[in-house]
Amino acid sequence: DAKTTQPPSMDCAEGRAANLPCNHSTISGNEYVYWYRQIHSQGPQYIIHGLKNNETNEMASLIITEDRKSSTLILPHATLRDTAVYYCIVRGFTMTTDSWGKFQFGAGTQVVVTP
Amino acid sequence: KAGVTQTPRYLIKTRGQQVTLSCSPISGHRSVSWYQQTPGQGLQFLFEYFSETQRNKGNFPGRFSGRQFSNSRSEMNVSTLELGDSALYLCASSLGTVNFDEQYFGPGTRLTVT
Repeated sequence: DAKTTQPPSMDCAEGRAANLPCNHSTISGNEYVYWYRQIHSQGPQYIIHGLKNNETNEMASLIITEDRKSSTLILPHATLRDTAVYYCIVRGFTMTTDSWGKFQFGAGTQVVVTP
Repeated sequence: KAGVTQTPRYLIKTRGQQVTLSCSPISGHRSVSWYQQTPGQGLQFLFEYFSETQRNKGNFPGRFSGRQFSNSRSEMNVSTLELGDSALYLCASSLGTVNFDEQYFGPGTRLTVT
């Protein structure tokens, strides 16, 4: 599975949009981009995932570049409760083994939302 | 519906002992994955079980093993505990199907080895 690169940390003011970048330049055609977040000492929480089209749900938007080598997670109106480590992961389904690849979590981006 | 549950939530063991952790997935989920999280190494994949078969495995020594039962509940066992096994152990469940594999994580079991 492809590796991802994220900035180690970023700050965001409450009420503003938070844009979290992720590079995945070696992503292959069948690999999805997933975003999870982990609030201190809790289990990671699924946010959103996509293949090549932009996606939006009640939590966030995911923008994937046309060449799929990078993506951006957008939290439209950050709140203090959005302070967490955000992980970008790429993973694909392997037909030969009929299984999904492993979730490989990197170091993630520590997002701190300030009042 | 109920989320992923893990028992126990906290555990203290001494070096050389063994430990068994339990994970109950969300109803209908057939895939259970286990992860180890430490401050130094971050979140690392241990293994995944689907329909009672190990489908994927991470790079951990043979002291770490697991199994899955017919009701999809899973257990993870660590034998001959070492101080470095102190960690938060997380399990995640998913449908495991080709169309959709969003993983839902449990709260974790905090293992301390003394």
